[in-house]
Amino acid sequence: AQKITQTQPGMFVQEKEAVTLDCTYDTSDPSYGLFWYKQPSSGEMIFLIYQGSYDQQNATEGRYSLNFQKARKSANLVISASQLGDSAMYFCAMRPSGYSTLTFGKGTMLLVSP
Amino acid sequence: NAGVTQTPKFQVLKTGQSMTLQCAQDMNHEYMSWYRQDPGMGLRLIHYSVGAGITDQGEVPNGYNVSRSTTEDFPLRLLSAAPSQTSVYFCASSFKVATNEKLFFGSGTQLSVL
Repeated sequence: AQKITQTQPGMFVQEKEAVTLDCTYDTSDPSYGLFWYKQPSSGEMIFLIYQGSYDQQNATEGRYSLNFQKARKSANLVISASQLGDSAMYFCAMRPSGYSTLTFGKGTMLLVSP
Repeated sequence: NAGVTQTPKFQVLKTGQSMTLQCAQDMNHEYMSWYRQDPGMGLRLIHYSVGAGITDQGEVPNGYNVSRSTTEDFPLRLLSAAPSQTSVYFCASSFKVATNEKLFFGSGTQLSVL
């Protein structure tokens, strides 16, 4: 069985600052993918970034980067230069090899203040 | 592109009523799934399908039925609604089973059972 743990129910950051959202995972599968999704107040699920378990480099997508530490089983999302529009719920999720579904963490609510 | 379409967006039911949440995708995706989102619980898998005619249970299947008669459609049925089924429901799809394959989500259905 897989498990995703997001220990931060809420995070506060000021505009233009960087913020790290924590995610740890547990799986016995050697091959897996890690995902981050953003859910703004409008409710839709927006894909942000992906990291594969065999990827040698940390994934980056614009202002988003993933701090992947395989030995610690952590996949933290780093948002650089926060913007007001980054205020949302953020979910970490995992997909082991051979699975068609994702296992999600409970989410972290990020609030960005001016 | 329509992507994944869920209907209705909002629904209020009385305890004991039945209803079907509709989900359709136009991307020719084989893999479809239903999740429910509750405060503080993240997204939890209800049922999923790996192709027409093939469905399986997820983490929280009780009280829900599914069928997959076509590739495009994956309806979720509540046979006798209960207040515990008050939640936001998301349908998702993906093209293949691969660790780097992201899920495409519908916009969600907010269901209240009184």
